[in-house]
Amino acid sequence: NAGVTQTPKFRILKIGQSMTLQCAQDMNHNYMYWYRQDPGMGLKLIYYSVGAGITDKGEVPNGYNVSRSTTEDFPLRLELAAPSQTSVYFCASSYSSGLAGGRGTQYFGPGTRLLVL
Amino acid sequence: DQQVKQNSPSLSVQEGRISILNCDYTNSMFDYFLWYKKYPAEGPTFLISISSIKDKNEDGRFTVFLNKSAKHLSLHIVPSQPGDSAVYFCAASAPNTPLVFGKGTRLSVIA
Repeated sequence: NAGVTQTPKFRILKIGQSMTLQCAQDMNHNYMYWYRQDPGMGLKLIYYSVGAGITDKGEVPNGYNVSRSTTEDFPLRLELAAPSQTSVYFCASSYSSGLAGGRGTQYFGPGTRLLVL
Repeated sequence: DQQVKQNSPSLSVQEGRISILNCDYTNSMFDYFLWYKKYPAEGPTFLISISSIKDKNEDGRFTVFLNKSAKHLSLHIVPSQPGDSAVYFCAASAPNTPLVFGKGTRLSVIA
């Protein structure tokens, strides 16, 4: 099992450019998440998905879009990149059933470091 | 409005001694708490969790204590080892809501 994989590892974007951060998991998890971590800060949830075709906003969704067409993949799209989106982005997945909601242990990818200049 | 607070950005401990990392929360609806550990250039990894129906959970060298009345939890590492040097994140959730993470505490274990 590769677990959670993220590509690219590092990217420099110019202001106004767009890009998609890729995330894939091979653990058949139903929940997937996107977080950003700014220096000296904790992880802030951008978007999450409880299953294919279902996504929901987290704490900081502005400037991002997501889709979940398969169980395995959860890409994060940045439209019109801004310097405020310079951060490290982590994708995670977990399995939860029924009333447990999103309580399952989250498994994180290695992160994508994004620099917007 | 920070719902999960880790007020110590860093902590240094000698090898073999106890490390105590603290976490406070403000949301009384939180009923599930976790600790994650993060090494540089890697994603966080799950360490230990505790439900609000317990006040202690132990896993090897790691023990988490929960004081619901004080809205406080702590992670004890005994004995501390150099490989424990990492950033530790406290996280909490209410039923059917996503996790909320603290800012993290950087632990340095000195040989």
